[in-house]
Order: sequence, then C-alpha cells, then structure tokens
Amino acid sequence: SQQGEEDPQALSIQEGENATMNCSYKTSINNLQWYRQNSGRGLVHLILIRSNEREKHSGRLRVTLDTSKKSSSLLITASRAADTASYFCATDQIQGAQKLVFGQGTRLTINP
Amino acid sequence: DTAVSQTPKYLVTQMGNDKSIKCEQNLGHDTMYWYKQDSKKFLKIMFSYNNKELIINETVPNRFSPKSPDKAHLNLHINSLELGDSAVYFCASSQAGGGPYNEQFFGPGTRLTVL
Repeated sequence: SQQGEEDPQALSIQEGENATMNCSYKTSINNLQWYRQNSGRGLVHLILIRSNEREKHSGRLRVTLDTSKKSSSLLITASRAADTASYFCATDQIQGAQKLVFGQGTRLTINP
Repeated sequence: DTAVSQTPKYLVTQMGNDKSIKCEQNLGHDTMYWYKQDSKKFLKIMFSYNNKELIINETVPNRFSPKSPDKAHLNLHINSLELGDSAVYFCASSQAGGGPYNEQFFGPGTRLTVL
C-alpha cells in the first residue's frame, strides 16, 4: 500500500521564491528520505532525516520531520530553474529488510 | 563513472514476448532493488536482493523473475509480457540491507512499452 503522500501534487513558482512540499505517512519509520527525479531520469537522493531528528539542512534544502503527526516537509529556498523536477518522499519502514515506500511525488516547476 | 547502470534504456515489444533488463552497480553495495514506476509516477518496490539472496518480493506476478549472478548484478526477466507491464523499471542499490540509515542509488531507468 502507498505510504507517503505528497502535497501538493504540482507546484509552480517564480525563480527566487521558496518552494515547500509536504509528505504524510502512515506507519512507524526508521527514517524518511527525499529524492528528486528530473524528467526521463532516475531518482537522486537529496537528504535523509532519521526518526529521532526534527530538522535537517543541506545547502538550500531544509527538511522537517514530525513523527507525532507522521509528516515531513521539504523546503527549497531561493529556487532556480534547475530545481524543476519531481520530488518524492520515501519512508524506510521499521522491519528487517530496508524497504523504501514512495509517495507519488510533487511536480515542481520553477518559472524564470 | 556510472554508479548504477541499466540496459536497455528503451524496450518496445509485443504482448506475449519474454524480455530481460540488466542492472549493474559498481558501488560495492550489498543490496539491490527493482522498482516499477507507472504512468502516474507512482514508484513501487518489486524485489530486493542482499548478497544474491532474495529478501523482498512484493507480490509481483511470477512472470517476473529476478536473477542475481553476483552482488553487483541484478537482472529482471519478464515472461509473457502483458499491456499492464508497460512502465519504467528502475534498479537501485544501497550499502547494506536491514540498515536503517542507508540511501539508495538509482539507475537511469528502462522504459518498457508493450504493444
């Protein structure tokens, strides 16, 4: 069953603005990861936040995790045209083998 | 150097045929995966192998048979292809199965079209 659900499904903003995407999930997790997928390409890992962490930064990326609400957000600051892509959250569920469960993604378009 | 590679990139075939997709990783990872991404961009795990042993099989039809000759390779063979098999298939790898903090590295994908 689908675990992560991203919101919004599509987001279009002007270059330089900040973009915020949200992800909700249903079960207990070890960690939550965000990936980017450019059109016609594979997924690229952006950032991983552990279940005992609340916030993490990497360059222009800021990720928050609220395990009580089972939700996460990805903030991209000072967006650039090159940030145009689909962004997926993936949850690493608590079980023996690592198994990432992906949401359906947010399609982000940065307008120049 | 390509970390996770897949061949072919595109595969167009007729219903009922048998086809294979190959995957190789040069990262020295122990665990490899196959995912299917449908037309709505929903990405779902199909299989996971750790050191050549199957550890995840997500209720995939037995027409799909993964094969791992060594831990650097995980191939996907599909028998009797159906229209619903049309999708993009991604291979991925990670450092160790069962570890809670491991990111996955994805290949570029194979777009399969069944006519």
